[in-house]
Amino acid sequence: SQQGEEDPQALSIQEGENATMNCSYKTSINNLQWYRQNSGRGLVHLILIRSNEREKHSGRLRVTLDTSKKSSSLLITASRAADTASYFCATDLTNTNAGKSTFGDGTTLTVKP
Amino acid sequence: EAQVTQNPRYLITVTGKKLTVTCSQNMNHEYMSWYRQDPGLGLRQIYYSMNVEVTDKGDVPEGYKVSRKEKRNFPLILESPSPNQTSLYFCASSGQGSYEQYFGPGTRLTVT
Repeated sequence: SQQGEEDPQALSIQEGENATMNCSYKTSINNLQWYRQNSGRGLVHLILIRSNEREKHSGRLRVTLDTSKKSSSLLITASRAADTASYFCATDLTNTNAGKSTFGDGTTLTVKP
Repeated sequence: EAQVTQNPRYLITVTGKKLTVTCSQNMNHEYMSWYRQDPGLGLRQIYYSMNVEVTDKGDVPEGYKVSRKEKRNFPLILESPSPNQTSLYFCASSGQGSYEQYFGPGTRLTVT
C-alpha cells in the first residue's frame, strides 16, 4: 500500500472556513512535502517540512509533523474558492536513494463561494 | 522561465506500438522522475534518475524504460504498450539538495 495516506479523501467547506487534511506514513522519513494539483494539471510544491521540524508556516498554510505518530497535517486558513484542488503529501524516505519519493492518494478539497 | 515540458500532451495509440514520451527541464536539475496517476491510486513513481546515466526503478517500473543521456532530458519509453498503461503521466525534476519537485503539465495516454 502507499507510504502516504491522506485523510479525508474529500473535504467540502465554505469560503472563509479553515481546511485541515492529514497524512500518515509508515516508515522513517527525511522530510515530508505537500503539493497541490488543480484538476488534471501538474502538481505544484507548497511546503516542505524536515523530520527534525514540528511546525512550519507559509502564508495561509500551516504544516505540522509528528514523527512519533508518523503523521502530518496541512491547515489552510481562511479558505478561498481558488483553493479548490487536490492536495497530496509526499515522503522522502531514509535509507533510500535520494530522488525516490512516495505520494499519497490525495485529499480533494472543494471550497464553496 | 523555469519549466518542465512534456510531449506529447495527449496520445492515443494501439496495443504493442512502441512510443516515447519526452521530458525536458531547463533548470539544470540533477534529479528527474516519471510518475503515473490513476484514479484512486494517487501518483506512483515509475523511474527516477539521480544524474546522467544514473537511473533506478520506482514503485511501478514494469513495462517502462527510461534513459538519461543528457542532463536536461529524461524520456519515458513504452516498448509494447498495453491497455493497463492507459494513464496520466507526469515528469518532474528537482535540484541537488532540494527535494522540491517541479512537475510537467502531464501526458494523457490512452492505449486501445
